Amino acid sequence: KAGVTQTPRYLIKTRGQQVTLSCSPISGHRSVSWYQQTPGQGLQFLFEYFSETQRNKGNFPGRFSGRQFSNSRSEMNVSTLELGDSALYLCASSLGAGAGSPLHFGNGTRLTVT
Amino acid sequence: DQQVKQNSPSLSVQEGRISILNCDYTNSMFDYFLWYKKYPAEGPTFLISISSIKDKNEDGRFTVFLNKSAKHLSLHIVPSQPGDSAVYFCAASDGGSEKLVFGKGTKLTVNP
Repeated sequence: KAGVTQTPRYLIKTRGQQVTLSCSPISGHRSVSWYQQTPGQGLQFLFEYFSETQRNKGNFPGRFSGRQFSNSRSEMNVSTLELGDSALYLCASSLGAGAGSPLHFGNGTRLTVT
Repeated sequence: DQQVKQNSPSLSVQEGRISILNCDYTNSMFDYFLWYKKYPAEGPTFLISISSIKDKNEDGRFTVFLNKSAKHLSLHIVPSQPGDSAVYFCAASDGGSEKLVFGKGTKLTVNP
């Protein structure tokens, strides 16, 4: 079974630009979550989508948004990039059944904002 | 305000010995706990989980213990192998939510 696939693996953008990251979940998984990993803050939850609806949201500004398509694939968008947005962005998928349904992560997209 | 804390940034053990990684949490609503392992340049890999209705869960060389009264869990790896060298993250969720709250990780080094 193929794992969670994230594209691109690396991205360099300039302050003020916007960026879109893509995630393909494990086949059959209906929940997709996004996390930001930075050295100072660790892994922080951005949002979760289930059946094309945002089900949970973390404490990030509105510049961070996402969506999920009918095939469960998901995209995350960050607008008006800031230097502090430089991070590893991880996508994770699961069956969406909560406890007993662990998240399976992709290898991430490393975003650098200059 | 860190709800999940891993107070040891690093741990070094000899091959064949036991590795014990610790995690504390503050939110009493957490009812599902997981451990993930992460190698450089890869995403976290799920290792083992435990529900709050249990106090122990075993999977091969990995055992997780949960002490709800102390709000403490630990991961035991025995015997430790050099391939276990990685960063280990503790995570928690509440009420069936998919949202995980992670600790900042413990870097385990297993020396041959």
